[in-house]
Amino acid sequence: RKEVEQDPGPFNVPEGATVAFNCTYSNSASQSFFWYRQDCRKEPKLLMSVYSSGNEDGRFTAQLNRASQYISLLIRDSKLSDSATYLCVVVRPGFKTIFGAGTRLFVKA
Amino acid sequence: DGGITQSPKYLFRKEGQNVTLSCEQNLNHDAMYWYRQDPGQGLRLIYYSQIVNDFQKGDIAEGYSVSREKKESFPLTVTSAQKNPTAFYLCASSIWGKENYGYTFGSGTRLTVV
Repeated sequence: RKEVEQDPGPFNVPEGATVAFNCTYSNSASQSFFWYRQDCRKEPKLLMSVYSSGNEDGRFTAQLNRASQYISLLIRDSKLSDSATYLCVVVRPGFKTIFGAGTRLFVKA
Repeated sequence: DGGITQSPKYLFRKEGQNVTLSCEQNLNHDAMYWYRQDPGQGLRLIYYSQIVNDFQKGDIAEGYSVSREKKESFPLTVTSAQKNPTAFYLCASSIWGKENYGYTFGSGTRLTVV
């Protein structure tokens, strides 16, 4: 079992839709969590950190559930420009950073 | 503007040849990393360095070598011992001990064996 697991998708949604991704992690001592966005053939870019109380950045909402060991990303009012791969990233003790394989999102007109 | 610069963007390697990928940052970050990305897989750590003149093997270091002679620079050599080097290589940096601030990535080098 991988330490960080994501549904690879693809998720195909129309513009304006709400879409949610989950990511599970196996190490209960993991301490920091992130979502990165990666466009096709480009480098990953930090989208947002994920805090225990949940956090929001415009149309994006991130949640952490430590009891069930998963994090989620909710995108509201999807735009064509949201089409990308979303990487779940977990940092465990010792500052070891683990990347998920990513979830692909396609937003259609 | 601060950032990480990787070069070249595309690189072609012949069988049995060593090649070196460049990574330079002007963010004053202590830590630098090299990752490899293959289709459908997460990023896998090759090497990382916390300080100048020190570096550690990651999960897939075999067939690779690095140096860290300057804080700004962390070149990666893909040696002929790496049997399947075709991949997308990403260099990243962070403030060591502040990984909760996330990584900054370079734009990557796409290496192909010909």
